[in-house]
Amino acid sequence: AQKVTQAQTEISVVEKEDVTLDCVYETRDTTYYLFWYKQPPSGELVFLIRRNSFDEQNEISGRYSWNFQKSTSSFNFTITASQVVDSAVYFCALSGRGTYKYIFGTGTRLKVLA
Amino acid sequence: EAQVTQNPRYLITVTGKKLTVTCSQNMNHEYMSWYRQDPGLGLRQIYYSMNVEVTDKGDVPEGYKVSRKEKRNFPLILESPSPNQTSLYFCASSSLGGGVNTEAFFGQGTRLTVV
Repeated sequence: AQKVTQAQTEISVVEKEDVTLDCVYETRDTTYYLFWYKQPPSGELVFLIRRNSFDEQNEISGRYSWNFQKSTSSFNFTITASQVVDSAVYFCALSGRGTYKYIFGTGTRLKVLA
Repeated sequence: EAQVTQNPRYLITVTGKKLTVTCSQNMNHEYMSWYRQDPGLGLRQIYYSMNVEVTDKGDVPEGYKVSRKEKRNFPLILESPSPNQTSLYFCASSSLGGGVNTEAFFGQGTRLTVV
């Protein structure tokens, strides 16, 4: 069975601190895809990144970076120098190749305090 | 602009009164699905559709119906809503271009309250 675990329910940091959101997944598929979405207070779901299981390179996009480690089945998300606008709920998701099904974690609420 | 459009954004209804939430996408995606989001539970899939006239149950299908008569539209129907269906609903579409799962594109969400 496929499963995504986001153990951190809520995290609070002070602006400019770095913060890492954890994501641990379970799957028997050899080919799969991992995603991160952001849900700001306005409620929409904003796509952040997709990573396939064959690409373990870390990715950096501005203040955002992602660390994918197959050995620990983790796909962690780090925000460097956090800002108030980063306050949101962040979801990690998993999809097996060709399945069309996305398994979501329960989300981590990030509060960045000014 | 590529988008998934849901309507309405907000809806308050009474128990037992049939309602439909519409969803339309303009990306020619084969795959569409409905999710509900509840506190502490994340997003759970209600129904999905692989293509026109092809639908199947997700993880929490009870009390819901869907149809896929056209590729772009995937309405969610609550025949007899109950208070436990109060939730935030999202429609999503995606494609399997070249065997690669694309990201799911989500609508803006429909906040439904059943009293």
